[in-house]
Amino acid sequence: DTEVTQTPKHLVMGMTNKKSLKCEQHMGHRAMYWYKQKAKKPPELMFVYSYEKLSINESVPSRFSPECPNSSLLNLHLHALQPEDSALYLCASSQDRRRNQPQHFGDGTRLSIL
Amino acid sequence: KNEVEQSPQNLTAQEGEFITINCSYSVGISALHWLQQHPGGGIVSLFMLSSGKKKHGRLIATINIQEKHSSLHITASHPRDSAVYICAVLTQGGSEKLVFGKGMKLTVNP
Repeated sequence: DTEVTQTPKHLVMGMTNKKSLKCEQHMGHRAMYWYKQKAKKPPELMFVYSYEKLSINESVPSRFSPECPNSSLLNLHLHALQPEDSALYLCASSQDRRRNQPQHFGDGTRLSIL
Repeated sequence: KNEVEQSPQNLTAQEGEFITINCSYSVGISALHWLQQHPGGGIVSLFMLSSGKKKHGRLIATINIQEKHSSLHITASHPRDSAVYICAVLTQGGSEKLVFGKGMKLTVNP
């Protein structure tokens, strides 16, 4: 079992749909991350939130919109996605932004765009 | 050239064998992670180390900062160890970003 919970585990959506991915942790961590992982590739960082503020956006297209409503929750809102956005989306958290803090990963949401 | 290189890319072993997975990096780091990813997604953090050696059960991780090299050893390997093992480094310079290697797919046959 992971301490970072992601829902849903699987999501299939059309290119015109709007959906959201959810990530939750109750470890008191103040840094949270979204990664995108294509098959047989390492994860790619998308966004970093620190103390509920967006601190890194790795030039992600605006069809991906992150939100951190409180210190335990991280959402990723999806709109007008493209087939190439099909991937595993991983959430992670760490105690804070200081280096040498391990990141704890969720099991991911497998997203398929039709 | 990637900043983090892993070798081998794939490895098949028989149950019980001693396994070594290597990771070399070309940048200054503050810490190195070894991660495990089973088919289906979730990533588990095995070790985070910045010097020396750490042991947990059948797993041992070592790092040589001068040589910019780390190894992950699995003793008495088991089919449940079959997974992708990813080396990731936290780079120096104020960034909290992890730079990932491409991973090594391990298959342990019974």
